[in-house]
Amino acid sequence: EAGVTQSPTHLIKTRGQQATLRCSPISGHTSVYWYQQALGLGLQFLLWYDEGEERNRGNFPPRFSGRQFPNYSSELNVNALELEDSALYLCASSIPGKETQYFGPGTRLLVL
Amino acid sequence: DAKTTQPTSMDCAEGRAANLPCNHSTISGNEYVYWYRQIHSQGPQYIIHGLKNNETNEMASLIITEDRKSSTLILPHATLRDTAVYYCIPTGTASKLTFGTGTRLQVTL
Repeated sequence: EAGVTQSPTHLIKTRGQQATLRCSPISGHTSVYWYQQALGLGLQFLLWYDEGEERNRGNFPPRFSGRQFPNYSSELNVNALELEDSALYLCASSIPGKETQYFGPGTRLLVL
Repeated sequence: DAKTTQPTSMDCAEGRAANLPCNHSTISGNEYVYWYRQIHSQGPQYIIHGLKNNETNEMASLIITEDRKSSTLILPHATLRDTAVYYCIPTGTASKLTFGTGTRLQVTL
């Protein structure tokens, strides 16, 4: 069974640009979660999508947004990139109503 | 979210059991104890979880105290590939996971 996949693996942008990160959950999983792990910091919860709706949001500014598509894949968009947005962005998925989240390998975003 | 306390780091010789403790004294009755690990620069990997009974799977065993205020993750025969940061995370709802600083386990020859 394929795990959670994320693309691209690496992304380089400059300040002020927009970044789009993609995530495909495990087949049968309808919930998708996004986390940010900045260098030397812990994993911070960003967003939770389930059945196409945003269910919960972490303490991040509105320029972090996303969506979930009918096939349950998801996009994370980061607008007006800042240097401190440089981080590993992780996506996880879970079965409806279950707490166990399975993580993808992440997208490493570098903002120059 | 319940707060957790874990040792910053631990060492373990290869082949020996690694016992990783976690204090979660403020855990509420409906929260499971989840354990994940993160090998350098990879996505976190689910290990095991439990509510109040001890649990075992192919990766590890989880011992939860009767009062549920602490737990211990046991890797029965640690290998070099088990070197990682281990996170203990109480969670009760299918929403966010709150990662603390975890325990950095170093397995040595």
